Amino acid sequence: DAKTTQPPSMDCAEGRAANLPCNHSTISGNEYVYWYRQIHSQGPQYIIHGLKNNETNEMASLIITEDRKSSTLILPHATLRDTAVYYCIVRWSGGSNYKLTFGKGTLLTVNP
Amino acid sequence: DVKVTQSSRYLVKRTGEKVFLECVQDMDHENMFWYRQDPGLGLRLIYFSYDVKMKEKGDIPEGYSVSREKKERFSLILESASTNQTSMYLCASSLVLQETQYFGPGTRLLVL
Repeated sequence: DAKTTQPPSMDCAEGRAANLPCNHSTISGNEYVYWYRQIHSQGPQYIIHGLKNNETNEMASLIITEDRKSSTLILPHATLRDTAVYYCIVRWSGGSNYKLTFGKGTLLTVNP
Repeated sequence: DVKVTQSSRYLVKRTGEKVFLECVQDMDHENMFWYRQDPGLGLRLIYFSYDVKMKEKGDIPEGYSVSREKKERFSLILESASTNQTSMYLCASSLVLQETQYFGPGTRLLVL
């Protein structure tokens, strides 16, 4: 799987949009971008994933650049409960690629 | 809605005890996984199962065994707990082996 780079930490004001960047410059054409988050002492939570088109669900939006070398996860109205470590990973949905590996992620702190 | 549950959130056991961690999913998923998560080491796959009674070793199976007698239930067994098995244990499930994995809340195990 391609490597990803994320800032170690970010702050966001409650009620504002949180924009979390991820760089994946070596992504290949059949690799998906996935986002998970992990609130302290809880299990990881799946947020969203995409291949090349922008995606939106009830939790977030995922914007992938046209060259697919980077993406941004957007939480439109951050709340205190969105404080968590956010992991961006790149996975190929094929072959024997069944295990998840998280990098260091971005610690998002939402401030009142 | 996706639901993976784990039998305990916190567990304290003594060295040498046999420990059972249970995981149940209600999504009719074929695949289930057991990971452990340790600071600085990230997620590591212990075992996974792609069907009832089928199992495959992950990266760190030593000291663990698993059981999958029913599709919805996947158990992790520590045959003789040791202090180096103190960790956060995470269960996950997926419909397709290489696709989105949904995690349970985790069990924080302390072995004294």
